[in-house]
Amino acid sequence: HLVESGGGLVRPGGSLTLSCAASGFSFSAYWMSWVRQAPGKGLQWVADIKQDGSVKFYLESVEGRFTISRDNGKDSLYLHMNSLGVEDTAVYFCARYSSGGSCVGFDLWGQGTMVTVSS
Amino acid sequence: EIVMTQSPLSLSVTPGEPASFSCRSSQSLLHTNGYYLLEWYVQKPGQSPELLIYLASNRAPGVPDRFSGSGSGTDFTLKISRVEAEDVGVYYCMQALQKGTFGPGTKVEI
Repeated sequence: HLVESGGGLVRPGGSLTLSCAASGFSFSAYWMSWVRQAPGKGLQWVADIKQDGSVKFYLESVEGRFTISRDNGKDSLYLHMNSLGVEDTAVYFCARYSSGGSCVGFDLWGQGTMVTVSS
Repeated sequence: EIVMTQSPLSLSVTPGEPASFSCRSSQSLLHTNGYYLLEWYVQKPGQSPELLIYLASNRAPGVPDRFSGSGSGTDFTLKISRVEAEDVGVYYCMQALQKGTFGPGTKVEI
């Protein structure tokens, strides 16, 4: 399971940190990602992080503002979001990326946490 | 940045009939490992997305065999051989060659 938390209402320019608690699998063995979905819109990949946290990739529009991190000891994934704008309003999903074994792709998703940026 | 497009953007289907969705990328999705890094997801109403197809043509575990993926280079197709009522949702393709980019989605209605 993946369970996100930390969403809420924040003012433009503000900050927020999302968390994702993983259970039922070996968290440290997987790339992990954040994917978001603006209200009524499609899916948008945001960021991902390698198993040991040594490699991170970001959507161009969030680079320098968002930081993805993980704590394998706590089976948790994080997204630290700074300088938030109204365009960041979305449901943020935590997702596991499998790259071998039975499949390749985002094979496990959380239920999402809503982030609303508004004055 | 790889741009993904899908067509049609919406589709009305009849249960029991086939359905087909197209996905196109702005550059080839062929990885050096010889595989196409193209995935299909479905997001059913009110739910989180689910993986359907990976490496362009492989069904994810538990996905019914009425779903099939094909394609190469920049052009990919998802087919449902016989649509069922539970297939209602939005179908997204996603490239995983360079970071990740989703297509705009095809909304399927019965």
